[in-house]
Amino acid sequence: QLVESGGGLVQTGGSLRLSCAASGITLSSYAMSWVRQAPGKGLEWVSGILGSDDTTHYADSVKGRFTISRHNSKNTLFLQMNSLRAEDTAVYYCAKSPRYGGYFYDYMDVWGKGTTVTVSS
Amino acid sequence: EIVMTQSPATLSVSPGERATLSCRASQSVSSNLAWYQQKPGQAPRLLIYGASSRATGIPARFSGGGSGTEFTLTISSLQSEDFAVYYCQQYNNWLPLTFGGGTKVEIK
Repeated sequence: QLVESGGGLVQTGGSLRLSCAASGITLSSYAMSWVRQAPGKGLEWVSGILGSDDTTHYADSVKGRFTISRHNSKNTLFLQMNSLRAEDTAVYYCAKSPRYGGYFYDYMDVWGKGTTVTVSS
Repeated sequence: EIVMTQSPATLSVSPGERATLSCRASQSVSSNLAWYQQKPGQAPRLLIYGASSRATGIPARFSGGGSGTEFTLTISSLQSEDFAVYYCQQYNNWLPLTFGGGTKVEIK
């Protein structure tokens, strides 16, 4: 099970840190992603971290502003979001890729319920 | 970036009828294609991976097909709980992983 938290209302240019707490899943053993969904829109992959070596990857839309990380002993995934823009307003989901070892991003077999981020001026 | 295009945007179907959804990739993704179902206020749920393999617990009325650039999701006999939005996602090229824009299946 994955449970996101940390969403809220923030001003343009502000920062927010999202968390994704895992139970029954060892996050360091899998590739993990953050996927967002703007109001009334489709799904957008935002960022990922491989389980094998903690290599991180980002969509161009967030590169340089967002940082994904993982705290292995707390079994928690994070997304640090800086310089937030109105277009970052969305529900943010954390999701797990299925292959043990975390060498690849693939499809996502376990999703959290999401946390809502609203960026407003 | 691989662009995924789903059609139609909205599909109106009567309960018990068959629904066929399409997904096209801008370049070959082999069989590295997944389908998800999303209901209002809920997270996406994995239905199909590897283009045609059903995820755990998914009813047999859901089937996926295709390879390369053309894929389909078929729901053989629509049940009331199947009315939702469906997304395809490619994972052949990671950076970035990309989703289609979705097909909404609504009650006719």
